[in-house]
Parts: sequence; structure tokens; C-alpha cells
Amino acid sequence: GAVVSQHPSRVICKSGTSVKIECRSLDFQATTMFWYRQFPKKSLMLMATSNEGSKATYEQGVEKDKFLINHASLTLSTLTVTSAHPEDSSFYICSATPTGGALFYGYTFGSGTRLTVV
Amino acid sequence: AQSVSQHNHHVILSEAASLELGCNYSYGGTVNLFWYVQYPGQHLQLLLKYFSGDPLVKGIKGFEAEFIKSKFSFNLRKPSVQWSDTAEYFCAVKDNDMRFGAGTRLTVKP
Repeated sequence: GAVVSQHPSRVICKSGTSVKIECRSLDFQATTMFWYRQFPKKSLMLMATSNEGSKATYEQGVEKDKFLINHASLTLSTLTVTSAHPEDSSFYICSATPTGGALFYGYTFGSGTRLTVV
Repeated sequence: AQSVSQHNHHVILSEAASLELGCNYSYGGTVNLFWYVQYPGQHLQLLLKYFSGDPLVKGIKGFEAEFIKSKFSFNLRKPSVQWSDTAEYFCAVKDNDMRFGAGTRLTVKP
């Protein structure tokens, strides 16, 4: 149980275009999902907390107009990187935990999306 | 804000050696503690977690971790590593948010 699917796994886009990344909880409902960015040789960085039916909460320094998050249902959150630039190239990971189950589960992570902006 | 420190960036061991990876955090309140592993080319997987109770936590694949509250530490251990343990290991601490350490790359030589 507690499977999180993230799509696409890899994407290459041209500078200036937008890319949408999906994060789905396959067998549970997740009121809250999290988006992380993993820099080479550095820690995972929490970008934002995605809340179903309300606005996402962004971490300090993360541009909310650039990284649009939509959590329209209890099983789907999307991250759209708008007007992507080469410096946005990174590994993006989402995670979720079953609603009400945070005490009993570790957070389940998606498989990640490798974004390359050329 | 709380922080998580993993002091070892890269650890190289031979098979059958014992492993201990350090993790310290700065938050003084009640926290949940996790260790995650990321094998090459794969996504993060939960190794073990601590919420309360016995401070010695046993996880999958022979890993264990000990929560020492007085030292704000949650070190990961394994008595005898295998080549297949080669991966990146992340310590994480959660109060309201989940914070990760920088990760420790473990290379096990056959």
C-alpha cells in the first residue's frame, strides 16, 4: 500500500517553455503532498506544501509564480515549472502520506522527475 | 528553524564491515525521526522511523537506529554491510515539516 506515482520520470524542455509534473497517490487519499528539489551533492530541499482545495504553502526563497502547484483532488497534485530556464534543471520529488495516517507511515515518495532545460 | 546534520558525506567500507552513520538535529521539541535510502537510479525508500517508545528502532535489511534524546542524535547502524547497501542515506526530522540532512553516500567495496 501507500504508493505514490510521479510522472514523467524524465523531461527535456526548451528554455522558456513550461513543464507540468504530476504526483498521484494510487491507493490512498492525501490531503497534503510535498514537493522537493534535490540538488547534486546537496540535501533535499522542501519547496512547498500542497494542500487539497487550498493554496500551496511555499518555503522561503521559492518563487510561487514560477513553481505553480495545484492540488485539485485528494489523489493528485501537480507542479508546473513555468518559463523554465537551465538553472531550473534538477530532480524534483513529491511525497505524500495517507490522510490521518502520518503517525503510522513514513512519507511515501514518488520516483522523481529529472528535468533538463536546454 | 530546525536543521538536520549528517556529518559524513561519503563513507567507503568493505563488505562485512560495520556501519554507523551520524545524524544530529537541532529542534528541541517532540519530533519524528526517519532514515531513508536511495539506491542508484531509484527513488527514496523508508528504512526505519521513530515516533515514540523504545529508542532502538529496527528497520528493513538489517538496519537499526538509536534515538538519543540528550544528544539530539539518531544514528543509523548495521553490523555487517553488503555490496548491495551501496546507496545514499538521508536522515529526516519532522515536527510540522519534514527536513532532510544532506545525505551520506555509502560505497561498499566487494
